[in-house]
Amino acid sequence: DADVTQTPRNRITKTGKRIMLECSQTKGHDRMYWYRQDPGLGLRLIYYSFDVKDINKGEISDGYSVSRQAQAKFSLSLESAIPNQTALYFCATSDNTGFGYNEQFFGPGTRLTVL
Amino acid sequence: KQEVTQIPAALSVPEGENLVLNCSFTDSAIYNLQWFRQDPGKGLTSLLLIQSSQREQTSGRLNASLDKSSGRSTLYIAASQPGDSATYLCAVISTDSWGKLQFGAGTQVVVTP
Repeated sequence: DADVTQTPRNRITKTGKRIMLECSQTKGHDRMYWYRQDPGLGLRLIYYSFDVKDINKGEISDGYSVSRQAQAKFSLSLESAIPNQTALYFCATSDNTGFGYNEQFFGPGTRLTVL
Repeated sequence: KQEVTQIPAALSVPEGENLVLNCSFTDSAIYNLQWFRQDPGKGLTSLLLIQSSQREQTSGRLNASLDKSSGRSTLYIAASQPGDSATYLCAVISTDSWGKLQFGAGTQVVVTP
């Protein structure tokens, strides 16, 4: 089984709808991240969480919210989806052992289309 | 602000040739640099992680070097195979970024049989 899973894998929705993307991990990592990938723009960080009680905005958090329900679960919500949120969304995890910051492991991604 | 650049954006080589992929970054104050592989429509697979104190890392046919002072990393893939066709991304964690990866746009590689 995959260490980092994302559901759904594909989603088509309409403008104005609320949608939630879910991420679960079995790696036992404290840190979790949400990124989006757009053609030509690379991956950009939306939100990150260093533990269950720590939530931080990334570089493009407007229009998104997150919830860290447990160490293993980190959800991303679009309260009112708009077409320019059409993208590939990735969840990632890392541990917090040692000095500095450690290797990040990515889920398979969720392809979201907002019509 | 850290900027990560990968040139070229696309590369095509015949099978068996060695691949050389370049990554440059503007701020040398980094904790580490990570190389990823991405297949079309798929997730990112971590290939190698180089800590800022290291000069290189090796895994099988892959070798990544890091020259922090000049802001460069190079990923070498020896004896390329068609299965190596993918997009390769590099990303850095800067010391002032609170653990956030900053990505380059990637190099799309095609290895022709």
